[in-house]
Amino acid sequence: EIVLTQSPGTLSLSPGERTTLSCRASQSVSSNYLAWYQQKPGQAPRLLIYGASNRATGIPDRFSGSGSRTDFTLTISRLEPEDFAVYFCQQYGSSPRTFGQGTKVEIK
Amino acid sequence: EERLVESGEGSVQPGGSLRLSCAASGFTFNNYMMHWVRQAPGKGLEHLSAINGNGDSTYYADSVKGRFIISRDNSKNTLYLQMGTLRVEDMAVYYCARSAGSIGTRYGYLDSWGQGMLVIVSS
Repeated sequence: EIVLTQSPGTLSLSPGERTTLSCRASQSVSSNYLAWYQQKPGQAPRLLIYGASNRATGIPDRFSGSGSRTDFTLTISRLEPEDFAVYFCQQYGSSPRTFGQGTKVEIK
Repeated sequence: EERLVESGEGSVQPGGSLRLSCAASGFTFNNYMMHWVRQAPGKGLEHLSAINGNGDSTYYADSVKGRFIISRDNSKNTLYLQMGTLRVEDMAVYYCARSAGSIGTRYGYLDSWGQGMLVIVSS
């Protein structure tokens, strides 16, 4: 099983700031099949990024993903008020699908 | 627009059973793999089970294998999760989700999710 470790656990930032979230895998993620999801309180997760770097439909271009093999990042170029949420990474390259524990981006 | 709407949430005692349903609309249901993912209170996400488009291939996480059964009725565009021998640690919000591909394929990500429903397991 691939273990995904996200860091940091919490980020305290202000609107307009740039931030980078990390997701590190315990072994190489096959074909970089890594996704990022955003979850707001009381809501379901929403797909942001798939294939490590492809934005999902309707996702603003301030969100970008990068990385390969075991090290992946999600960058938000300029935080908007609606971006304060929890972000999860997930690998779907090998069974079982596994999620990271999440990074909370909170308002400073 | 694709939509997934879960139903069947409730409260059961340990050892009890519950069936969750997920009604799909806005897309060709049998073209998609369907999944159940859960989230315990204040915790992360756990992928529990998956079923392919025609229902003849299923996956279960070790945590629910032998206790939960995933199924689908493509004539009703509905996904099900029959949960048995429930434990306190099964208490969580349960989400249904879809993917266009299976594990290890470029479309294996979960691109649409239901709103989630709370299952309480308590004596």
